[in-house]
Amino acid sequence: KAGVTQTPRYLIKTRGQQVTLSCSPISGHRSVSWYQQTPGQGLQFLFEYFSETQRNKGNFPGRFSGRQFSNSRSEMNVSTLELGDSALYLCASRAGTAGLRIAHTEAFFGQGTRLTVV
Amino acid sequence: AQKVTQAQTEISVVEKEDVTLDCVYETRDTTYYLFWYKQPPSGELVFLIRRNSFDEQNEISGRYSWNFQKSTSSFNFTITASQVVDSAVYFCAPLGEGQNFVFGPGTRLSVLP
Repeated sequence: KAGVTQTPRYLIKTRGQQVTLSCSPISGHRSVSWYQQTPGQGLQFLFEYFSETQRNKGNFPGRFSGRQFSNSRSEMNVSTLELGDSALYLCASRAGTAGLRIAHTEAFFGQGTRLTVV
Repeated sequence: AQKVTQAQTEISVVEKEDVTLDCVYETRDTTYYLFWYKQPPSGELVFLIRRNSFDEQNEISGRYSWNFQKSTSSFNFTITASQVVDSAVYFCAPLGEGQNFVFGPGTRLSVLP
């Protein structure tokens, strides 16, 4: 079956602009998480969506937002871009579970979107 | 609070050698799930192996295995008979509160021919 698809793969934006990244999870998976990877901070959790609802959020400013559609595809948006937002943004797809029970299944990641802010 | 430490920043081995990557996971939780992921140059994170706190035995999957030492909270990951294609960055990643991964800083492995 098809893997996790992230578009675009590469993006160059100017400081102050906004950007939207897209993630299509594995068919049937309802959980989509986003992570930011930078050389200085490593891999950090942004947020998770499950059945169109944001279920968990990391410690990022409100400029970072996301949403999930009824077909489980997810988008994340970064407004008023800063140089420090330059990073690899990774999307993770999991079958997920409803409620608060921990889903201990593995996540499948896309190849990421490399965002460069100039 | 949880803390994940991967003390080895970079490791180089010659092909066919066994290599062990270290991970220390400090947590007060009695139930936990810990994963190892590999990130090749292409960028995506690839799932390798998982340990649950209630596992009786250490998991082995092909050339991958790991060893848990409770006294030191160490979850060491071993690749047997390494290959050049194993060259990548390896992350130890427990599941944190709210079901998200808490990634360690990673260990860059270079397997030389």
